Amino acid sequence: GESVGLHLPTLSVQEGDNSIINCAYSNSASDYFIWYKQESGKGPQFIIDIRSNMDKRQGQRVTVLLNKTVKHLSLQIAATQPGDSAVYFCAVTGGGNKLTFGTGTQLKVEL
Amino acid sequence: EAGVTQFPSHSVIEKGQTVTLRCDPISGHDNLYWYRRVMGKEIKFLLHFVKESKQDESGMPNNRFLAERTGGTYSTLKVQPAELEDSGVYFCASSQGLQYGYTFGSGTRLTVV
Repeated sequence: GESVGLHLPTLSVQEGDNSIINCAYSNSASDYFIWYKQESGKGPQFIIDIRSNMDKRQGQRVTVLLNKTVKHLSLQIAATQPGDSAVYFCAVTGGGNKLTFGTGTQLKVEL
Repeated sequence: EAGVTQFPSHSVIEKGQTVTLRCDPISGHDNLYWYRRVMGKEIKFLLHFVKESKQDESGMPNNRFLAERTGGTYSTLKVQPAELEDSGVYFCASSQGLQYGYTFGSGTRLTVV
């Protein structure tokens, strides 16, 4: 089955710096990848997604990069703000409706 | 549009008791999912309904867990009898189909003591 791992359980950045959160997945058949943000007391909130036919996708202050060769996914947040503090999860799926999540990275933004 | 609603937000029960969690999906969403996050670990899939039918229940831990979605609207997840390792946050999500993304509820934090 699929397994998803995150490289760092905690990431601390200074306000205004860029943040990079990494994720590795195991199943080369995975074809849809999503990043979620979870704030305390709330459910996971969609940030950005990417399909396997792309290697980069940009949103507002966020960019997702997909490297299928090494099965690696990253989320870049530009000009990190205090409101970006949360737990970030990557999730992948391989054609079904079920998502496999990573363990999450706690992003802490220092003023 | 109302989001996915889960009730209760918190529940503390003793080992051996029964707890029922409820999820109201977004109106019109045929797909309803249950996930669980045990402390500090990944969010794990439990099961998937399409309307009232169980499409995939491969993530259900054991037969102490029973999920229903009568009428294809709201869903309940019952844990009977609860064990200490059942503690965690239970999330419900709904969608029109994965290609449209999921919307998660705020979760029910279950603590078994």
